[in-house]
Amino acid sequence: GAVVSQHPSRVICKSGTSVKIECRSLDFQATTMFWYRQFPKQSLMLMATSNEGSKATYEQGVEKDKFLINHASLTLSTLTVTSAHPEDSSFYICSARGLAGVAATDTQYFGPGTRLTVL
Amino acid sequence: QQQVKQSPQSLIVQKGGISIINCAYENTAFDYFPWYQQFPGKGPALLIAIRPDVSEKKEGRFTISFNKSAKQFSLHIMDSQPGDSATYFCAASTKSNTGKLIFGQGTTLQVKP
Repeated sequence: GAVVSQHPSRVICKSGTSVKIECRSLDFQATTMFWYRQFPKQSLMLMATSNEGSKATYEQGVEKDKFLINHASLTLSTLTVTSAHPEDSSFYICSARGLAGVAATDTQYFGPGTRLTVL
Repeated sequence: QQQVKQSPQSLIVQKGGISIINCAYENTAFDYFPWYQQFPGKGPALLIAIRPDVSEKKEGRFTISFNKSAKQFSLHIMDSQPGDSATYFCAASTKSNTGKLIFGQGTTLQVKP
């Protein structure tokens, strides 16, 4: 139980294009979803927190116009990297915090991550 | 005050040995302390978690020791196996902060056969 999926797992795009990453909680409803960015051999850096039906809360230094987050339902959140540039290349990971049932309410369950490469 | 400091940065242990990773925090409002295991190219997976009302929690070969007065907690991996080779992250959160996790810097563990 408590499975989170991400799609795509890997994406390569040209500079200037936009890329959408989906995060789904498969067997539980998520009150809150989080988006992280991770550089090689580094820790996870929280980008934003989103609650279903609300605007996302972005961490300091994260450009909200560049990283658009939509949390349309209790099982789906999307991150769109707009006008991507090579410096946006990174490993993007989402996590979901559950309501009840298979997912403990205090626990964040992480997706498998999306490797973005911008050429 | 929001930081969680993790050590060591890397650790090499022989198969069958005990791996110990330590974390320290300053914010006394933290009330949930999970440990995550991450393999290369994968997302972190919850390993074990503890709340400050207990001093130790054990699940299989993994044990968290928690020292509230010292504001420290540690992960012990008993009988370490090569399959345990991964990066381990400690984290902390408060209920009042929408469950936002503050992560440690990570420890890369290598278990030699």
